Amino acid sequence: RKEVEQDPGPFNVPEGATVAFNCTYSNSASQSFFWYRQDCRKEPKLLMSVYSSGNEDGRFTAQLNRASQYISLLIRDSKLSDSATYLCVVRNSNYQLIWGAGTKLIIKP
Amino acid sequence: EPEVTQTPSHQVTQMGQEVILRCVPISNHLYFYWYRQILGQKVEFLVSFYNNEISEKSEIFDDQFSVERPDGSNFTLKIRSTKLEDSAMYFCATTPEGTSYEQYFGPGTRLTVT
Repeated sequence: RKEVEQDPGPFNVPEGATVAFNCTYSNSASQSFFWYRQDCRKEPKLLMSVYSSGNEDGRFTAQLNRASQYISLLIRDSKLSDSATYLCVVRNSNYQLIWGAGTKLIIKP
Repeated sequence: EPEVTQTPSHQVTQMGQEVILRCVPISNHLYFYWYRQILGQKVEFLVSFYNNEISEKSEIFDDQFSVERPDGSNFTLKIRSTKLEDSAMYFCATTPEGTSYEQYFGPGTRLTVT
C-alpha cells in the first residue's frame, strides 16, 4: 500500500461546479495533514492544513478522519484559476513530509 | 513577503559531472529541506538540515549527495557523479522551526543530466 494515495486524475470539471478530492494514508502515527497546490512546473504551495475538526477557508473545505486514515478537500464554485494539481501531504513522526502523487484538476469554461 | 530563492533555475550537466544547487532560505528560518520531483512523478523528500547538520534523510539521499550551509546564508545540495536518473526538479524548503506546519518552497532548480 502506498504511504499516501490519491484519486487518479485528471478531473475535468465545468466552471462553477463542486470538486472533491480524496486521500488515504497508511501510517496511523502520522501527525499532520496538508493540501498543497502545484501549478505546472512550479513549486508546491500550501493550500491549507487539515485539522481533526475539519476546517474551511473560503471556497475550500478540508476534512480529516483519523479512524479511516482519510483526508478530503472540497472546492466549491470552482474557478478557472483553480486548475492545478492538488497534492495530499502527510507529516510523519520524523517531521518528514510524505507526498501523494497528486490529482490534476482542469476547470473548463 | 520574504521568499526562498534558488539558483540556478535550470542546470544542464553531463553524466558524471558534479553539480551544486543553491538555496537562500528566508532569513529567520532554521530548518531546511531538499526535495526532488522527477517529471510527472510525486515530490520526494531527500534531506532535512538543522543546526549545521543533517537531521533526517531518505533512502534516495545516498553517498552521491551532500548538503551544507557554507556561509551562514546559502544552503547547498551537491550531487556528485550525476546520473541520467538524477534529472528532476529540486526544491528547497525552509521553516522557522521544525514543528512549524508550513514549509516555504523555493521555485526549484531543473536539473537535466545528458
